Amino acid sequence: DQQVKQNSPSLSVQEGRISILNCDYTNSMFDYFLWYKKYPAEGPTFLISISSIKDKNEDGRFTVFLNKSAKHLSLHIVPSQPGDSAVYFCAASARGQNDYKLSFGAGTTVTVRA
Amino acid sequence: DTGVSQDPRHKITKRGQNVTFRCDPISEHNRLYWYRQTLGQGPEFLTYFQNEAQLEKSRLLSDRFSAERPKGSFSTLEIQRTEQGDSAMYLCASSFIAGGTYEQYFGPGTRLTVT
Repeated sequence: DQQVKQNSPSLSVQEGRISILNCDYTNSMFDYFLWYKKYPAEGPTFLISISSIKDKNEDGRFTVFLNKSAKHLSLHIVPSQPGDSAVYFCAASARGQNDYKLSFGAGTTVTVRA
Repeated sequence: DTGVSQDPRHKITKRGQNVTFRCDPISEHNRLYWYRQTLGQGPEFLTYFQNEAQLEKSRLLSDRFSAERPKGSFSTLEIQRTEQGDSAMYLCASSFIAGGTYEQYFGPGTRLTVT
């Protein structure tokens, strides 16, 4: 069963605008969440993470928001740049259960238009 | 250190043949993971090692799959009697479990095509 879901397969945004990517999860044991970016023919690249003890984490143009009660997280990219065009994966793990393997969503393809 | 490396990057094999992939993790990382990714899906966990010990295997890992990590350094993933359904991208990742850092760093993957 898919424990991490990214319901939007694609997103198109104009350069300079905000990109908002969404992710939902079902496993209440998940307590650590990560976003990865993937270009074609490359492995996923770590972007940003957040622990369940926080509701926001920011790193430069990237901000992740976590809503534990809704089991929902989002990634904001501001401002979007052409180099941000890639597939973005949401992932989760249950560190508190000593379970570090990652469960991934199916990904959202972001296209930044000039 | 240049990150996680995987070899080969591409492998085409005929059904029924055996294949072996290699992963070299980031040198100070004590955990090594294998994932499989098919088209349109996110990576799916297969197995992981802490140092040389294989601690967990997914039910996706049939008896035809075996993984090793001798001496806690590089790892190999072998698939025996390959089937067309084994065609996928095989990804390796490593991490260092300590000090509050838990991110996994991925290699470029090995793309397997079974004909």
